Amino acid sequence: DTGVSQDPRHKITKRGQNVTFRCDPISEHNRLYWYRQTLGQGPEFLTYFQNEAQLEKSRLLSDRFSAERPKGSFSTLEIQRTEQGDSAMYLCASSLGRGQETQYFGPGTRLLVL
Amino acid sequence: AQKVTQAQTEISVVEKEDVTLDCVYETRDTTYYLFWYKQPPSGELVFLIRRNSFDEQNEISGRYSWNFQKSTSSFNFTITASQVVDSAVYFCALSAGITGTASKLTFGTGTRLQVTL
Repeated sequence: DTGVSQDPRHKITKRGQNVTFRCDPISEHNRLYWYRQTLGQGPEFLTYFQNEAQLEKSRLLSDRFSAERPKGSFSTLEIQRTEQGDSAMYLCASSLGRGQETQYFGPGTRLLVL
Repeated sequence: AQKVTQAQTEISVVEKEDVTLDCVYETRDTTYYLFWYKQPPSGELVFLIRRNSFDEQNEISGRYSWNFQKSTSSFNFTITASQVVDSAVYFCALSAGITGTASKLTFGTGTRLQVTL
């Protein structure tokens, strides 16, 4: 089985630019999660999808952030008008979708906002 | 609200030493799951183990063992005969709520383990 994949792995952008990240979950995994991890910290939950429905969003997800999973397969996370504080590792995870099961993580996208 | 505390920020050991990573959690839910993940320098979080709140049996998997104690709200992780390849940041995480619903993971701040020759 192919694991969770994320693209790009690294992104450098200037403040004010928009960026979009993609996540491809493990096939047949219905749930998809986005987390953000800053240096020296554990990952923090941003949002999650059950198939194409976005069911929960963290207060960390400001109006500049939007996530989609249009066909219930891959997901995109867009950050508009990036700020230096957005610099972090953005992690995607997926799970089967049957209760409290294990989330499997992708390699992450490391964002640096200059 | 859920909380996970990993008080050890960084641990350094010499290869073949045993090392225990501590994890203390807080939740008001009676149904919850505890996890350990490993994050090597490449950045990808690797799943190690999951335990549910109704199963306090300790578990051993090769050189890894886990000690779950509800009385002290702890879920500690021991590596026996550590190896250089064990060097990584280790995260303890908690997922709580009604069984059958998805639940976000609440992570601790991680413990960086450095194993040297």
